[in-house]
Amino acid sequence: QVQLVESGGDLVEPGGSLRLSCAASGFIFTDYYMNWIRQTPGRGLEWVAYISQSGHVVNYADSVRGRFTISRDNVKRSVYLQMNGLRVDDTAVYYCAFPARLAQSWGQGTVVIVSP
Amino acid sequence: DVVVTQSPLSLSVTLGQPASISCRTTEGLVYSDGSTYLNWFHQRPGQSPRRLIYKVSNRDSGVPYRFSGSGSGTDFTLEISRVEAEDVGIFYCMQGTHWPWTFGQGTKVEIK
Repeated sequence: QVQLVESGGDLVEPGGSLRLSCAASGFIFTDYYMNWIRQTPGRGLEWVAYISQSGHVVNYADSVRGRFTISRDNVKRSVYLQMNGLRVDDTAVYYCAFPARLAQSWGQGTVVIVSP
Repeated sequence: DVVVTQSPLSLSVTLGQPASISCRTTEGLVYSDGSTYLNWFHQRPGQSPRRLIYKVSNRDSGVPYRFSGSGSGTDFTLEISRVEAEDVGIFYCMQGTHWPWTFGQGTKVEIK
């Protein structure tokens, strides 16, 4: 069955960096755009970024553009989110999900806390 | 950005009674491929969101028939014909037509 397993969440100071990973199984990974979505109590659900099957097409929410980078490794069936210049308001549960526009399947999430 | 507004934000429903959640968007949601990317999700406490309905009215596999979606343009509705105890949680609508794809604020459903 479809499984998405996120990892890499941690407590980090403002200005720091983290790399989130999402390991996918149970579906043809190379058929789908992959996505990162985050959730906070205050701002709710926010679609952070997506990446095409080949990795050549990416897009970001304005709030993270220039600081976050989405990438994927189709051999490892994994998608990544490199987060630099972290800010307190990046604190959230980060979910990996697919497909684009439809978000049929979600992982369990990984928690990122940005705090001094 | 397309703003997605849900109402009500909370709903207290008697078991077995119907419930309805409205979702309004600031722009029409017909995409260039002809599809309308309006989806509904349900999130129980401590869990990830689970998709119930995609493209306005298509029920996901395993989703009970008591859930139905309807609407067009900028006005959409999720209806629960008879609320059950397992329906507690937060329901979200989400538009996937205009980037950035955006979610509503959520509607919290509790049992009266």
